[in-house]
Amino acid sequence: QVQLHESGPGLVKPSETLSLTCTVSGDSISGSNYYWAWTRQSPEKGLEWIGSFHYRGSTVYNPSLKSRVTISVDASKNQFSLRMTSVTVADTAVYYCARERTSGHWLDAWGQGALVTVSS
Amino acid sequence: DVQMTQSPSSLSASVGDRITITCRASQGIGNHLTWYQQKPGKAPRLLIFGASTLESEVPTRFGGSGFGTDFTLIINSLEPEDFATYYCLQSYSMPFTFGPGTTVDIK
Repeated sequence: QVQLHESGPGLVKPSETLSLTCTVSGDSISGSNYYWAWTRQSPEKGLEWIGSFHYRGSTVYNPSLKSRVTISVDASKNQFSLRMTSVTVADTAVYYCARERTSGHWLDAWGQGALVTVSS
Repeated sequence: DVQMTQSPSSLSASVGDRITITCRASQGIGNHLTWYQQKPGKAPRLLIFGASTLESEVPTRFGGSGFGTDFTLIINSLEPEDFATYYCLQSYSMPFTFGPGTTVDIK
């Protein structure tokens, strides 16, 4: 059974960079059946899909965040990461990593979530 | 972007009730509609994908239907553990977008 776990700083200052890592167990992120995604949830914006990647080389981002976001992968550690630059208080949210089915693109497994607060 | 709306935004119900939640897309999305259940402090849980296919181990009192722009989640005979917030997700067109949620609480 796949498990995902987010980790990273819970507090980031405005204008700085948010970095989170998702560690996957029970499945390989280098497989072909899944994309691997980041989403976030805040009271103001609700649930928001940030972007996802496929190990075969395809990475897609939400256009509203694309200029600030990078998703990268470390297959040797079965981890993938989110980097978001120039954060503001509006980026305060619970960030989730998730597994995304290649056929249909629904998110079928989620991490427990990591609260990131943007504050000085 | 495809805008997703849900109705109602909240509803009060009793154990044993049958409830219906509607999700509407601003443009046709085929059957690329997923339903999730979320409880406070927890991640969303997959209930239904492809508009009507029940995820494994999800109780059969949950059901989904619809195609194109209008979709429905039905819960037959509410159980105490079903009181939660329900979200829809469209994965037809990027960026994928979620509905605002429907909170089901105890009457």
